[in-house]
Amino acid sequence: QLQLQESGPGLVKPSETLSLTCTVSGGSINLSTYFWGWIRQPPGKVLEWIGSVFYTGSTHYKPSLKSRVTISVATSENQFSLRLSSVTAADTAVYYCARVTGTGGGFFDYWGQGMLVTVSS
Amino acid sequence: SYVLTQPPSVSVAPGKTAGITCGGNNIGGKSVHWYQQKPGQAPVLVISYDRDRPSGIPERFSGSNSGHTATLTISRVEAGDEADYYCQVWDSSGDHDVVFGGGTKLTVL
Repeated sequence: QLQLQESGPGLVKPSETLSLTCTVSGGSINLSTYFWGWIRQPPGKVLEWIGSVFYTGSTHYKPSLKSRVTISVATSENQFSLRLSSVTAADTAVYYCARVTGTGGGFFDYWGQGMLVTVSS
Repeated sequence: SYVLTQPPSVSVAPGKTAGITCGGNNIGGKSVHWYQQKPGQAPVLVISYDRDRPSGIPERFSGSNSGHTATLTISRVEAGDEADYYCQVWDSSGDHDVVFGGGTKLTVL
């Protein structure tokens, strides 16, 4: 059974960089069938896609976040990571990692449990 | 950017049928995916590609998509179906973007 687990600091100061890692177990990230994505959800609000990465390192980012986002993949460790720079309180959210299946952006069929990241001084 | 519009809430009695809509410009030309999210939990995929049910999702869940509206239908609603439901598409026009709807809270009366 594929499992994904987010990890990283739960508290980030304003203007700093948020960094999270997703560890994939029960399956290889090094497959040509899937992308791997990050989605976030501010408390009480809706889901927002951040971006996705292929095992080759090819990425897609949400246009409105593109200038601040970097998603990378470490196939040898079966992990992929998110970096979001210049954070503000508006970036406070539960961050999910997920597997992306299908063509044309696809859908998210396996999700991590989510990790709350709070931006505060 | 592409916008998906969902009703904020839908209420239904147990055993009845619930329909949750997702409106978008010519959404019938896109593939729509649906997620169920219960409080404090990660979303769960319940419908992909308009009408495909993943393994483990009850047959009571079905989907359709045409024109400007996609619909998630839940038949014989149970108390355990109470959750938030989100639709999602891939917008390939202009800047490629994954778009989620605003979510619909399903209340089982």
